[in-house]
Amino acid sequence: EIVLTQSPGTLSLSPGERATLSCRASQSVGRSYLAWYQQKPGQAPRLLIYGASSRATGIPDRFSGSGSGTDFTLTISRLEPEDFAVYYCQQYGSSPRTFGQGTKLEIK
Amino acid sequence: QVQLQESGPGLVKPSQTLSLTCTVSGGSISSGGYYWSWIRQHPGKGLEWIGYISYSGNTYYNPSLQSRVTVSLDTSKNQFSLKLSSVTAADTAVYYCVRDVAARGGYFDYWGQGALVTVSS
Repeated sequence: EIVLTQSPGTLSLSPGERATLSCRASQSVGRSYLAWYQQKPGQAPRLLIYGASSRATGIPDRFSGSGSGTDFTLTISRLEPEDFAVYYCQQYGSSPRTFGQGTKLEIK
Repeated sequence: QVQLQESGPGLVKPSQTLSLTCTVSGGSISSGGYYWSWIRQHPGKGLEWIGYISYSGNTYYNPSLQSRVTVSLDTSKNQFSLKLSSVTAADTAVYYCVRDVAARGGYFDYWGQGALVTVSS
């Protein structure tokens, strides 16, 4: 099973700043089959990025994903108040599908 | 717009079987290219994929839960279901049903709102 490790565990930033979240895999993720999700308290996760860099329908272009192999990044170019949430990466290049432990993005 | 809704008991006794149903609207559960997955989230914790069923009824389960999990499909009702046997307090979690975009590898594009299941006597 591929283990995903997200860093940092918590990221404290202010609106308007740039956020960079990391997801590192224990082995190479085939075909860059990596997704990112956003979860707000009391809500289900929402798909942001799939295929490492493709934005899901309706996702603002301030969200971008990059990376391949074992290192992936989610970047939020300019934080809006509604972006403060927990973010999870997920790999689907091999079975079973696995998630990272999450990065909490909090207001500084 | 595809929507998913979980239903089932919110309280299950230890050693019994947890049963949840997911009703899908806005799209056919028999559509090719999609699988139907269950994911759970322990209170205050991360996400754990439980397993999926394909549109044709093939299943694949997380090895960590494989011996206790059954996912089934009812195309006539556009529903799929989860059964988890021999539950303990460690199975207390929010359970989500999700659409699994298998044709593109297996990410999750639509989620139910989640159902909290507590295991307690």
